[in-house]
Parts: sequence; C-alpha cells; structure tokens
Amino acid sequence: NAGVTQTPKFRVLKTGQSMTLLCAQDMNHEYMYWYRQDPGMGLRLIHYSVGEGTTAKGEVPDGYNVSRLKKQNFLLGLESAAPSQTSVYFCASRGYRDRDHNEQFFGPGTRLTVL
Amino acid sequence: AQTVTQSQPEMSVQEAETVTLSCTYDTSESDYYLFWYKQPPSRQMILVIRQEAYKQQNATENRFSVNFQKAAKSFSLKISDSQLGDAAMYFCAYRSGGGGADGLTFGKGTHLIIQP
Repeated sequence: NAGVTQTPKFRVLKTGQSMTLLCAQDMNHEYMYWYRQDPGMGLRLIHYSVGEGTTAKGEVPDGYNVSRLKKQNFLLGLESAAPSQTSVYFCASRGYRDRDHNEQFFGPGTRLTVL
Repeated sequence: AQTVTQSQPEMSVQEAETVTLSCTYDTSESDYYLFWYKQPPSRQMILVIRQEAYKQQNATENRFSVNFQKAAKSFSLKISDSQLGDAAMYFCAYRSGGGGADGLTFGKGTHLIIQP
C-alpha cells in the first residue's frame, strides 16, 4: 500500500514551459487535493476534486489546470510556467467513508523551480 | 473565509521539557475540525492530532495534547517530554464540517527547535 505518490520529486523549468505533475493514490479515496507551499507559508489549496471527472477551484487556482480522468489519479498542469510558480507542491487525498476521521493523506511533495 | 494564525514563527525548548504552540482561528461556522501537522526536514506532512469542534474533551495522543477553547477560537498544542525527533515545522489547520470535500486552511507554521 503505497498511499499517495507524486511524480516527479524535483523539476526545473524555464519560464513559459509547460509540465504536468502526477498524483496517484491507492486507497480508493474520493477526494483529492493539490496544495502549494511557499517559504514562510503554510500550504494553500490550488484545486481539488470530489470524484472522477469533477474538479473545483481552491484558494490560489490561477495559472493551473487539473484533471481527474481516473479515480486514483489527479493531475496538475502548468501551461506556461512563471517564476511565481516556484514552490513545493503537495497532493493529498481523503476518503468519503473516512469523514469521521477526517484525515488527509499527503504525498511527499514535488519541488518545482521556474527560472 | 476562514483564517488560521500562528503567532510564534519559532520556538525553542530543552529536551525532556514541555512546550506549547499557539494557534488561533477565525470562523463563523459552528461545525469544523482542527488539526496539527508536523513537517520534518523530509517535508512529509504528518498528522499529529485532530479535534472535532463538537467535542468538548481535548484530544490527546501520547505526549501530544491540545487545549481547545471554542469560544476564544484558540487551539494550542502541548508537547510533553520533548524529544529530539520532535524538531520540525508545526502547522495548525482548519477544515469546515458538514461532510463536504473542503480542503484545509493552514497557518504559517511554527519552527520548533529542541535543544539537547
């Protein structure tokens, strides 16, 4: 049981390049989330998904797109990367049936640098 | 929108002593959940303790306990018998209740240093 995994772990991009971050979970969770963490800040929610084929905006969605074509995967895309998107990105998941426990399970993070 | 405030950017404590990390939050909701997460240098987010707002009893997990003051909107974390492995960033987080898929709202964190 791998939990939540993220690919890649590190990436360096040039301004204007595009990339996709992949999040996968093997816990059959309904809810999935993408956060970013900047220095001196807590995590901030970018987008989230309540199920396959559905996504919604979080606190800081601009410049990002997401897709959830399969229940176990949640993709975060940057169409034209900007230096302001240099950050550590975390994926998380939570099960609907776990609502009484309310724990979000986090991936290990992806460190992205945009030059 | 809800906000979470951690007023201590950094705290230092001697090994084996007790330390309390502060957290306040602002919300108009009555049903919500509060969490403390630990982030060591590996950057993995680790859940330390959770508290449901409808529960009056303060949550406890081994050496970790909270002081939840709902009227004051305060949620502090007490670490007893501090150990070197407790050194990390600690984040307080809030989530709305009601069974929705809301994400977490985090504070800016407190860097905890354990002095040997």
